[in-house]
Amino acid sequence: KQEVTQIPAALSVPEGENLVLNCSFTDSAIYNLQWFRQDPGKGLTSLLLIQSSQREQTSGRLNASLDKSSGRSTLYIAASQPGDSATYLCAVHGTGANSKLTFGKGITLSVRP
Amino acid sequence: ETGVTQSPTHLIKTRGQQVTLRCSSQSGHNTVSWYQQALGQGPQFIFQYYREEENGRGNFPPRFSGLQFPNYSSELNVNALELDDSALYLCASSFGLSSYEQYFGPGTRLTVT
Repeated sequence: KQEVTQIPAALSVPEGENLVLNCSFTDSAIYNLQWFRQDPGKGLTSLLLIQSSQREQTSGRLNASLDKSSGRSTLYIAASQPGDSATYLCAVHGTGANSKLTFGKGITLSVRP
Repeated sequence: ETGVTQSPTHLIKTRGQQVTLRCSSQSGHNTVSWYQQALGQGPQFIFQYYREEENGRGNFPPRFSGLQFPNYSSELNVNALELDDSALYLCASSFGLSSYEQYFGPGTRLTVT
């Protein structure tokens, strides 16, 4: 059974800091890994998708890496801004007939002005 | 291109009642997945529909049922509501079952009193 862990549960940083959010998963049989952003009470916004054959993806100030063999992914946020404050969730897309996303509990990020 | 939409946005029901939630998939997508997100938790997979057939189910009781229509929109029905069913219900659409990115709707906030 796939398990996804995100530690710590919450993080508070000053504006301008570069930061790394970690995600680990137990089963390396995945199609892809997605990072999402969720604002309070809202739905999920997809930030980056990394296919299992890829090592990293970049979008603006965001860079996500994937090491499938060790079951780890990181989301790097450069020059953080107060508008980056949100909960960040990673999810792995499992292979097989039951093709679903398994989510971590998320990391709630607060960027202080 | 229209994104994933869900209705209603919010609703309040009484324990024992039944509820139907609706999801319109993104244009061109033939797969819809439903997730339940309790407060402070990551989304949990309920079930998935691919071309009008159920394609996998998570650890949810039979009182959670669903349907997908020929236009690939979908419904989630929950019978005999319990207090623990209070959550944000999210649907996601994608094209196919494997490596494609999943796009989420804004969610329906269900409160059971």
